[in-house]
Amino acid sequence: GNSVTQMEGPVTLSEEAFLTINCTYTATGYPSLFWYVQYPGEGLQLLLKATKADDKGSNKGFEATYRKETTSFHLEKGSVQVSDSAVYFCALAPNNYGQNFVFGPGTRLSVLP
Amino acid sequence: GAGVSQSPSNKVTEKGKDVELRCDPISGHTALYWYRQSLGQGLEFLIYFQGNSAPDKSGLPSDRFSAERTGGSVSTLTIQRTQQEDSAVYLCASSPREGYGNEQFFGPGTRLTVL
Repeated sequence: GNSVTQMEGPVTLSEEAFLTINCTYTATGYPSLFWYVQYPGEGLQLLLKATKADDKGSNKGFEATYRKETTSFHLEKGSVQVSDSAVYFCALAPNNYGQNFVFGPGTRLSVLP
Repeated sequence: GAGVSQSPSNKVTEKGKDVELRCDPISGHTALYWYRQSLGQGLEFLIYFQGNSAPDKSGLPSDRFSAERTGGSVSTLTIQRTQQEDSAVYLCASSPREGYGNEQFFGPGTRLTVL
């Protein structure tokens, strides 16, 4: 079946540090890939997405590239801010009818001033 | 346009009581999902509906949990004889069509507290 694996948190960084949160997936076919973010006390919201191999999703300074050869979708940001402190979820949506959307376990990021 | 809405936003109940949680998906979205998120934890899949197909109930934790989706739109999650371990935030999400790479749009959630 389909699955998503994320690096375990929590991740603690200083402001302006470089961020990488690893995400790898297992899926049949060619899924779409997503990063969702959940800020403290809020619901989940889409951060970025990529729908085919080699696509790069980007938003708010975050980027992730859909790498089919390594089945990965790592999230990166060059310079994190305190306001980026949140839980980040990697997810995939299969492109085959009858298969469920799959979320990773989430990675908690804390950015210190 | 309106997003996914859920009601109530907060529910406090006594152990043993039944509760109903409501989700209004985005108009036209055929796929609807329920998740549970315990404090500081990830998402636990509960159930999803796709159009007129039989729902996937594989994530429901016990037979005290059930869900309906009337007319292909509004959904109700019912928890019977609530237990303290049912305390969590219950999230609903909808998607234009399941299984075709579409993103999910989440509601704000219902925080359930069982005393």
